[in-house]
Amino acid sequence: GDSVTQTEGQVALSEEDFLTIHCNYSASGYPTLFWYVQYPGEGPQLLFRASRDKEKGSSRGFEATYDKGTTSFHLRKASVQESDSAVYYCALSEYNAGAKLTFGGGTRLTVRP
Amino acid sequence: NAGVIQTPRHKVTGKGQEATLWCEPISGHSAVFWYRQTIVQGLEFLTYFRNQAPIDDSGMPKERFSAQMPNQSHSTLKIQSTQPQDSAVYLCASSARDWGGGEQYFGPGTRLTVL
Repeated sequence: GDSVTQTEGQVALSEEDFLTIHCNYSASGYPTLFWYVQYPGEGPQLLFRASRDKEKGSSRGFEATYDKGTTSFHLRKASVQESDSAVYYCALSEYNAGAKLTFGGGTRLTVRP
Repeated sequence: NAGVIQTPRHKVTGKGQEATLWCEPISGHSAVFWYRQTIVQGLEFLTYFRNQAPIDDSGMPKERFSAQMPNQSHSTLKIQSTQPQDSAVYLCASSARDWGGGEQYFGPGTRLTVL
């Protein structure tokens, strides 16, 4: 079955540091890839998505590029802020597998002021 | 747009009791999903409906769990004879797209605690 792997379970940074969260996927078809962010007491909310190889998704300074060759969709931000502290999830869905999302394990980002 | 509404936000049950969780999707959305979130297993898909019809329940435990969508404005997840391992946050999501690739809008979840 489909799967998503996030390498980092927790990341601790200082404000203005560069962020990278690694996401690799395994899928039988050609999935759409997503990054969701979850704040305490809330459900996940979409950051952005990408549907094609080499497509870049971006929002709020975060970005990721769909790489079919390396089956990756790594999340990056050049300069993090304390308000970016949250849990980040990489996810995929496949057209021929219905609309359900398969999530990675999540990465808790803590940004120190 | 009030977003996806889930009630109750918190529910505590005793072992062996029944729990019913409610979800009101965003008006006009044709797809409704249920997920379960735990520290150990993370976010897991349970089931989904398209235009009120059950489409995929591959993530639902075969016993004790059932989901329904009697009309377009609400869905329920029922857990019979709750067990401590059912303790989790249950998330409902809806989407205007009922095939892969669409954005899913999540509610705040219902935290179920089984004593």
